Amino acid sequence: DAGITQSPRHKVTETGTPVTLRCHQTENHRYMYWYRQDPGHGLRLIHYSYGVKDTDKGEVSDGYSVSRSKTEDFLLTLESATSSQTSVYFCAIGGGANEKLFFGSGTQLSVL
Amino acid sequence: KNEVEQSPQNLTAQEGEFITINCSYSVGISALHWLQQHPGGGIVSLFMLSSGKKKHGRLIATINIQEKHSSLHITASHPRDSAVYICADGPNTGNQFYFGTGTSLTVIP
Repeated sequence: DAGITQSPRHKVTETGTPVTLRCHQTENHRYMYWYRQDPGHGLRLIHYSYGVKDTDKGEVSDGYSVSRSKTEDFLLTLESATSSQTSVYFCAIGGGANEKLFFGSGTQLSVL
Repeated sequence: KNEVEQSPQNLTAQEGEFITINCSYSVGISALHWLQQHPGGGIVSLFMLSSGKKKHGRLIATINIQEKHSSLHITASHPRDSAVYICADGPNTGNQFYFGTGTSLTVIP
């Protein structure tokens, strides 16, 4: 299995507070992704990165920011959490040409 | 954006049955991925294919490029196969992937 770790696994927070989720990989993959998973929707891309300090928005990026200062770490920040951001968040790596995607274990985030 | 659709949404089978899950997509693809997600669990990549057929144990994935359709088959199904199966198309422009909403499979002993 690809070495990819997400933290925290669970988080409960209040509306308006900042939250940062961390994704750490040991595989030196160029591409890293943040997805959210909600009932009735497929995995939806929030942001992705194609290298250190190289990031781009996905289809549901509003309210989220990311940073990648090192190859191995990709951070997702909710600057001011809202209840609509309650979701399960997955980090993924890989997905280049002829590459499978590898997912972290997910973070269950509840915004009350 | 490639529209990826799966059918059925939900599937219940008796142990030992042969199972087929379908995935269709709207435009040409670079590769089609099949993923498995157990309840409360993470997501695991099962197959990545761009043509033909791949087999791993009791799982078989096929793809028909002309018909823009892929199938995941499970032979001799077992309760441990109970999971959500997700198909995805990618990488696309910007290395993005498009995911189906998943097929929830329950195998009853």
